[in-house]
This record gives sequence, C-alpha cells and structure tokens, in this order.
Amino acid sequence: DTGVSQDPRHKITKRGQNVTFRCDPISEHNRLYWYRQTLGQGPEFLTYFQNEAQLEKSRLLSDRFSAERPKGSFSTLEIQRTEQGDSAMYLCASSLGSHANPEAFFGQGTRLTVV
Amino acid sequence: GEDVEQSLFLSVREGDSSVINCTYTDSSSTYLYWYKQEPGAGLQLLTYIFSNMDMKQDQRLTVLLNKKDKHLSLRIADTQTGDSAIYFCAERLGSNTGKLIFGQGTTLQVKP
Repeated sequence: DTGVSQDPRHKITKRGQNVTFRCDPISEHNRLYWYRQTLGQGPEFLTYFQNEAQLEKSRLLSDRFSAERPKGSFSTLEIQRTEQGDSAMYLCASSLGSHANPEAFFGQGTRLTVV
Repeated sequence: GEDVEQSLFLSVREGDSSVINCTYTDSSSTYLYWYKQEPGAGLQLLTYIFSNMDMKQDQRLTVLLNKKDKHLSLRIADTQTGDSAIYFCAERLGSNTGKLIFGQGTTLQVKP
C-alpha cells in the first residue's frame, strides 16, 4: 500500500456541472477526512468518517456537497451545480484514529477549477 | 475558539538553521503536527508531538512545545534547498474526531 490515493488529480469543469472525486485511504485506516484548501491558505476541515459512518460535517459543507463511504473503504465527494467559489484543492486524509497512532496521512489532492 | 497562527514567510541561507513558529488557542489540543507541502502537491507529515511533551527530536527536526504559552516551533538544522516549501502546523482537538485545525502556512525559502 503506497498511501492515500486520490482521483482525479485535476478536474476542470464548467459552472453548474456536477463533479465527483474519489479517495482510497490507507487500507487498515478506519478514519477518513476531507479537507478543502484554497490558494494561500491552510486546509479546512469538511467532513469525517469513522468506517462507513459520517460523524461530522463542517458548516463549510453546503447542501450542494455530499460525501459517502459506503463500505468503510474508499470515499467519494460530490459537488453538485458547481460554482466558481468551489475552485480549490480537495484533500483526503486517513488515520487509524488511536492515541497510539495519531498520524494522519494525506493524499496528493484533487485540484478543481470551475470555469 | 479554534485558531492557529503562523508567520507567513521565512528566508534562510543553505546550511543555517530554520525556526518556524506557530501559536494556537485551544487548550484542549491533544497532538500538534507539522506538515510540509511542495508546490501542487499534498501534505507530507513531518512530525508530531503529544501535548504533554516539551520536545521531540527526529533527525534534523526538533519540535518544541510550550503548552503554557500555546506556542509550537519547528527547527530544521542544516537547512537544504530541498527544504524550500510551505510548512503547516496543525492542532488536533480534544474531541474524539481527530480532525485537524491548520495554520495558514509558512513559506520557507532557502537561498544557496
């Protein structure tokens, strides 16, 4: 296992279209996180899964955003009716979620450009 | 509240030590992390420190934590041009989620 994998790496879409991103976490990690990073800023938390359960959502996550992790392995993040303000890097991270292993590892991100 | 602050830019000469500073506000932080991000890439975990520790050393990296002042620093010894990147500090809150709150990042420029 080579780490957290995200697909696609880049996505250009027209305003109003829907997009879906995929994240494959490190295989034994039960926690999965989505973050958004805009230019010049640090990542901002969007949502978190423990296995297949979505346990927390940021108020940044409008109703146009939905995330799933149906079998507790990979996750998808869908943005409906994209807006130019959605342009950002979307980062996925995974962790074991234990105090003995507090490391959170990030993928390479999906850069979304809405034109 | 949840807030993490970093200075935006640091420039050093190759071979010098770099010290990147970070302050945070949430006293319930359990772990504090340092990540490195190169242009167009994701975040690479460099090191982390548990909140009841004062110091952690890992090869060229030294992390110092002053919990009373809520101040965290990352020292990079013998800085190399390959260390040029953006460095983020992040705190993991005391809640059970493990979500991280990030600073805005410090751009480290290493001059030859």
